[in-house]
Amino acid sequence: AQTVTQSQPEMSVQEAETVTLSCTYDTSESDYYLFWYKQPPSRQMILVIRQEAYKQQNATENRFSVNFQKAAKSFSLKISDSQLGDAAMYFCAYRRFPYRDDKIIFGKGTRLHILP
Amino acid sequence: AAGVIQSPRHLIKEKRETATLKCYPIPRHDTVYWYQQGPGQDPQFLISFYEKMQSDKGSIPDRFSAQQFSDYHSELNMSSLELGDSALYFCASRTSGDYNEQFFGPGTRLTVL
Repeated sequence: AQTVTQSQPEMSVQEAETVTLSCTYDTSESDYYLFWYKQPPSRQMILVIRQEAYKQQNATENRFSVNFQKAAKSFSLKISDSQLGDAAMYFCAYRRFPYRDDKIIFGKGTRLHILP
Repeated sequence: AAGVIQSPRHLIKEKRETATLKCYPIPRHDTVYWYQQGPGQDPQFLISFYEKMQSDKGSIPDRFSAQQFSDYHSELNMSSLELGDSALYFCASRTSGDYNEQFFGPGTRLTVL
């Protein structure tokens, strides 16, 4: 069974600084997708960034980028120039590649605080 | 752009009552997923449907049932409600294909008293 582990329950960063959230996962599949979701106080699930496992290039979305290490099964999220609106719960998530049985498996989450 | 619609957004029930949650996927999305997120927890997959047929099942209690209708909307029926059923219930939808993102609805917050 696939698992996703986030070892940092909470993190804090100064506004405008850079922060990295860690995530490791376990799977026997060779093709899969990895995601970072943001859940603000409204509790809406917002997709921040996704990575296809077959792509070696790390995904980037504006101030958000990932460090995907497939062999190490590591998938960290870097947030640059942190803003107050980035304060939220962040979930690392996994989805297998075949589009059947493709439920999303979430980690326990990391709560990110932005210090003004 | 149209999003996933869930109704009601908030629901308060007593123990042992029944609740029905509804999900209206984005137009032309044929696959629907239900997730349950307890207080302070990560979302857990409950069940999914593709073209009105159940496609996958997670840790869904026997007291819960769900279906997808001909217009692709889905309903999650919950009977004999327990205090532990209090949670945020997300519906997500996508189109079929090798890869298509699951789009999440705003969730239904169920409180069981």
